[in-house]
Amino acid sequence: DAEITQSPRHKITETGRQVTLACHQTWNHNNMFWYRQDLGHGLRLIHYSYGVQDTNKGEVSDGYSVSRSNTEDLPLTLESAASSQTSVYFCASSETTVNTEAFFGQGTRLTVV
Amino acid sequence: AQSVTQPDIHITVSEGASLELRCNYSYGATPYLFWYVQSPGQGLQLLLKYFSGDTLVQGIKGFEAEFKRSQSSFNLRKPSVHWSDAAEYFCAVGPYTGGGNKLTFGTGTQLKVEL
Repeated sequence: DAEITQSPRHKITETGRQVTLACHQTWNHNNMFWYRQDLGHGLRLIHYSYGVQDTNKGEVSDGYSVSRSNTEDLPLTLESAASSQTSVYFCASSETTVNTEAFFGQGTRLTVV
Repeated sequence: AQSVTQPDIHITVSEGASLELRCNYSYGATPYLFWYVQSPGQGLQLLLKYFSGDTLVQGIKGFEAEFKRSQSSFNLRKPSVHWSDAAEYFCAVGPYTGGGNKLTFGTGTQLKVEL
């Protein structure tokens, strides 16, 4: 079955380190998204991509970057991790056609100490 | 800018009782509306979605939601709650130009079910 997987599921890192969270989907979806989930804020959009070589900033993009070199993967990089980036991160993907929904990964819990 | 309001942070209901979770949205165009459920430590699972047509939509697990354009609401309902429904519920809105794109989420409602 097609799926979307995130790795790692849990990570602890130190302030100032570069961290990359992986997202891989096997649906061949063009659209991919990264969200962060924080108490009291729900999920907020970090970055998104509508296809290979396309990336766009979302609502809370400062301190994050993404790259899209193929259809299946959208890695999220924290350039210099900060304690404010401690959160649960969700990757999602969707088709480009209408009347579709986004499918979410299981999430990555990141702790910055 | 679009926004979604879920006014109830926590709701507790007894098993077998009816449930209504409120969702109000602000959106400048025709919206796509979604309800997702998140069990502890899990990702988000789609319960139901509204794109157009009949304003009462049926979803999985016995849930339904009604789109009311005049009230900018998309409330989630279930006639009889089961203990396994305890989870966090998120309402979300997306642009009409493409389903699933750039969702704006509410802050969520945590549902507790008393046995």
